[in-house]
Amino acid sequence: GAVVSQHPSWVICKSGTSVKIECRSLDFQATTMFWYRQFPKQSLMLMATSNEGSKATYEQGVEKDKFLINHASLTLSTLTVTSAHPEDSSFYICSAQGTGVVWTEAFFGQGTRLTVV
Amino acid sequence: GEDVEQSLFLSVREGDSSVINCTYTDSSSTYLYWYKQEPGAGLQLLTYIFSNMDMKQDQRLTVLLNKKDKHLSLRIADTQTGDSAIYFCAESQHGSGNTGKLIFGQGTTLQVKP
Repeated sequence: GAVVSQHPSWVICKSGTSVKIECRSLDFQATTMFWYRQFPKQSLMLMATSNEGSKATYEQGVEKDKFLINHASLTLSTLTVTSAHPEDSSFYICSAQGTGVVWTEAFFGQGTRLTVV
Repeated sequence: GEDVEQSLFLSVREGDSSVINCTYTDSSSTYLYWYKQEPGAGLQLLTYIFSNMDMKQDQRLTVLLNKKDKHLSLRIADTQTGDSAIYFCAESQHGSGNTGKLIFGQGTTLQVKP
């Protein structure tokens, strides 16, 4: 399958600082990227959907001013956690989907573990 | 609303078959998926089934779908220690072929004992 790479794999930051996580599709053009959040021993919760060149669509309850998503090119989307707090500590996973008429698999990155201290 | 439920834990012996179960509530789901997550890693798509199918087999994996009961299962034959992971059931709906927006279950931790 296609490769989606997230960077960094893990990051520790201080409360109040901002952290940027990158999601890249390495061998295909991703028209749509999805950002998920996973708490320990819990499922993945969709945070937002981003389409290249347009504003992201956020799920209910997700603060768009706190979790800034940019999808400026067909191979890169970024998630910036602004003014991070310990409760933002989580595992963030992106997935990327290419173009397709009937069905297109979404490929997942390896995830980024964020710890806010 | 949409909801996907799974049992949280399953333990089997190496060589036995594993059956992981999932129930969902959204009758308009068109695709149902099984993903595997190893510790600290992203998700790997194992298999999927379209909602008008009853069964799909792919090597050691067999997916059964009971649409009437909204029940999905994943059977792993000859389970190996390398199969130890968390398995997620997920559903999606399709209008224009968008598979990326998935609703996940809580995940079933499969422990395989040697």
